[in-house]
Amino acid sequence: AQSVSQHNHHVILSEAASLELGCNYSYGGTVNLFWYVQYPGQHLQLLLKYFSGDPLVKGIKGFEAEFIKSKFSFNLRKPSVQWSDTAEYFCAVIATGTASKLTFGTGTRLQVTL
Amino acid sequence: NAGVTQTPKFRVLKTGQSMTLLCAQDMNHEYMYWYRQDPGMGLRLIHYSVGEGTTAKGEVPDGYNVSRLKKQNFLLGLESAAPSQTSVYFCASSTPRTGTKEQYFGPGTRLTVT
Repeated sequence: AQSVSQHNHHVILSEAASLELGCNYSYGGTVNLFWYVQYPGQHLQLLLKYFSGDPLVKGIKGFEAEFIKSKFSFNLRKPSVQWSDTAEYFCAVIATGTASKLTFGTGTRLQVTL
Repeated sequence: NAGVTQTPKFRVLKTGQSMTLLCAQDMNHEYMYWYRQDPGMGLRLIHYSVGEGTTAKGEVPDGYNVSRLKKQNFLLGLESAAPSQTSVYFCASSTPRTGTKEQYFGPGTRLTVT
């Protein structure tokens, strides 16, 4: 079974700082990769996704992620965070042939200070 | 379109009581899922359905039952609630037709079992 690891549990950054959140997955076959964001009190929203092609994918709100197959990684980046990016971020993977079941990481809580 | 809706939004149960959570989607999606979200554990799949009349177990199915009598509805039942089932429950839906495999999430139900 596939699993997802997010090593940063809580990250505190000042506004305008750069962000990188780590995500590693374990699965030997073809995967689809996602980053979801959950703003305080809200439901999950899709930030970006990778299916195939260019390993650098761009999402909403200036976020991007790079799929490095050799490292089984899909790290999320943003050059300059804003206070409004304060949220919890979840990496997730779908292994092919699994009825599109998502396996989530444990999440990273990002706190952006003014 | 309303997307994915969940009722109720909040509920408090006593140990041993039963209840049903309703998920409805108006996107004509084939696949539907129930997750629970607990602090530090991300989202974990409880049960899922790939079509009307079919259900399957996810990662943490014990203590829950589900039914998918209509394509647009997916019910999650707790027959005898336990404090360990205190959690936030999210429903999601997706379709294999578009190939994106993106799951759309509902707003969540916060359940407390005392």
